[in-house]
Amino acid sequence: KNEVEQSPQNLTAQEGEFITINCSYSVGISALHWLQQHPGGGIVSLFMLSSGKKKHGRLIATINIQEKHSSLHITASHPRDSAVYICAVSGVAGGGADGLTFGKGTHLIIQP
Amino acid sequence: KAGVTQTPRYLIKTRGQQVTLSCSPISGHRSVSWYQQTPGQGLQFLFEYFSETQRNKGNFPGRFSGRQFSNSRSEMNVSTLELGDSALYLCASSFLPAYEQYFGPGTRLTVT
Repeated sequence: KNEVEQSPQNLTAQEGEFITINCSYSVGISALHWLQQHPGGGIVSLFMLSSGKKKHGRLIATINIQEKHSSLHITASHPRDSAVYICAVSGVAGGGADGLTFGKGTHLIIQP
Repeated sequence: KAGVTQTPRYLIKTRGQQVTLSCSPISGHRSVSWYQQTPGQGLQFLFEYFSETQRNKGNFPGRFSGRQFSNSRSEMNVSTLELGDSALYLCASSFLPAYEQYFGPGTRLTVT
C-alpha cells in the first residue's frame, strides 16, 4: 500500500509570496495528482503528471520519479488561492489498480 | 459541457437505515470512482466502475456497494448505516480508467 506524505500540513503566507507544497510517496506509481479543495467540499483537479513538469497559469507541478517526490508551486499567491491542496497517487503502471491514495492535504491561507 | 452531478447533495439518515447516492458523470466519460472523506481519515477510495464492471474496491466493509448503468451513471449504496458512515461522499468521472478525474460536488451524509 502506498503511503503519501505531504508537507507542510498548514501554511499561512502573505499575498504575492511564492508557495511550495511537497508530496512524497513510498512505492512506484503510474501518476500523481494535485487537487484543490475549497470550503464546502468541491474538489478540482489541478494536475495529473507522471514525469517532468507541468504549468498552468501561476501553478507549477513537478515530479521526480526516482526520488518519489513531487512539488506544487504557486507564484504570486493571491487570497483566492486559499484552499486545501491534496496530493494523490495512482497505483503501478496498468491503470491505478488500487484507486487513488491521498495525502492528508495542506491547508493554505493567503493573507492580503 | 455539464460537470459531474451528484444527488442528493445533503442527506440525514438514522442508524440502521440504508442509503443510495447517485452520480451522473460528464457526458462521454465511462469511468466512475467513489470516495469517502471524513475529518479523521481524510479521503479514501471506495470503488471504481468502468463499463458497468467494478474494477477496483477499497478497504471498506461489504455494507458499501455500488453499480454502474449502461449510460455510465453510477449509484452507491450503504446498508445498515453506522454513525461512522457520516461523511462527504464524492464521485469522480474520467474518460477512461487512469485518465484525469473530474469530481462532483459531493453528497454530505449525516447519520444520527
